[in-house]
Amino acid sequence: GAVVSQHPSRVICKSGTSVKIECRSLDFQATTMFWYRQFPKKSLMLMATSNEGSKATYEQGVEKDKFLINHASLTLSTLTVTSAHPEDSSFYICSASGGGVSYNEQFFGPGTRLTVL
Amino acid sequence: AQTVTQSQPEMSVQEAETVTLSCTYDTSESDYYLFWYKQPPSRQMILVIRQEAYKQQNATENRFSVNFQKAAKSFSLKISDSQLGDAAMYFCAYRSAYGQFYFGTGTSLTVIP
Repeated sequence: GAVVSQHPSRVICKSGTSVKIECRSLDFQATTMFWYRQFPKKSLMLMATSNEGSKATYEQGVEKDKFLINHASLTLSTLTVTSAHPEDSSFYICSASGGGVSYNEQFFGPGTRLTVL
Repeated sequence: AQTVTQSQPEMSVQEAETVTLSCTYDTSESDYYLFWYKQPPSRQMILVIRQEAYKQQNATENRFSVNFQKAAKSFSLKISDSQLGDAAMYFCAYRSAYGQFYFGTGTSLTVIP
């Protein structure tokens, strides 16, 4: 149990376009979802925390107008990278916790590699 | 924000031997959770072990155990009988009372056959 999926696993886009990444909890209701960014051989950097039905809380230095997060249901959160630029290229990972699984744990999706040309 | 420090960017261990990965953290909270995650080349984060701060007993999961020193704010991971499949990046993580997770910079573990 406690499976989290992400789609797409890889995406390549042109500079200036927007990209949406989906994060789904497949077998539990995720009251909280987290979005991370990971650079090569680096740690996970928390970008934002989203609770179902409310606005996401962004970490300091993360542009909320650029990284739009929606958590409209207990099983789906989306991250939209707007007007993407090459410096947005990275590995994005979501995680989920809550409802039916250990509240104190988070379960990770497999990640999405974004390449902006 | 809480900080999590892993002072060993790289470690290596001979197969079947034991290795210890170190982690320290800084917090003013008294109630929190600590985790070790493994990230193999597939980049899927896998939970290895967790520790509740209010528990004095060190957590163990088969070949994995922790040495939790709350006063020293230290949380090391011991891997016994190391196997080739243990090779991965290992991240120490702190969960605050507010539910946010903070990760260390990671330790890359190589297992030598």
